[in-house]
Amino acid sequence: NAGVTQTPKFQVLKTGQSMTLQCAQDMNHNSMYWYRQDPGMGLRLIYYSASEGTTDKGEVPNGYNVSRLNKREFSLRLESAAPSQTSVYFCASRTGTENSYEQYFGPGTRLTVT
Amino acid sequence: AQSVTQLGSHVSVSEGALVLLRCNYSSSVPPYLFWYVQYPNQGLQLLLKYTTGATLVKGINGFEAEFKKSETSFHLTKPSAHMSDAAEYFCAVTPWGGSARQLTFGSGTQLTVLP
Repeated sequence: NAGVTQTPKFQVLKTGQSMTLQCAQDMNHNSMYWYRQDPGMGLRLIYYSASEGTTDKGEVPNGYNVSRLNKREFSLRLESAAPSQTSVYFCASRTGTENSYEQYFGPGTRLTVT
Repeated sequence: AQSVTQLGSHVSVSEGALVLLRCNYSSSVPPYLFWYVQYPNQGLQLLLKYTTGATLVKGINGFEAEFKKSETSFHLTKPSAHMSDAAEYFCAVTPWGGSARQLTFGSGTQLTVLP
């Protein structure tokens, strides 16, 4: 049982390049989330998927797109990377039932845009 | 809209001393409350949570937190710090209703434990 896995662990992009961050969970969770972490700002929600087939914007969605590929996988795409998107990206999942509250986090992807 | 304020971006304590990390929330309805810990170069791990019931909640590694509705606070404490407690700690809230249960995080407190 690996929990939440993310690939890649590290990535360096040039401004304008595109890439997709991958996230998968093996806990049969319904809800999945993408956050970015910047120094002094905690984690901010980019997009989330409350259940398979649905996605919604979070606090900072500009410059990103997401795909809920199936129940296990939730990817984050940067179409044209900008230096402001240099950050650590975390994926998380939650069972999604009414009385479930905690989210389980992956190890993160460190992205640098030059 | 909800918000979370963590007082003190850096806290230093001596090994064996009391750890107190402060968290205040702003919400029209008391939310559900969490503390997460992040060790260097790792993801976030849940320390403890308050949803309903007893306002003093115990978590892993000897940590506990008390929900005080009148003070809109959820401070994290540990009676005796250990070197292994050095990490960054995040307070987070999620709304009482709704299906998505998005988390709103505080800006984090870096805990240093001095020998």
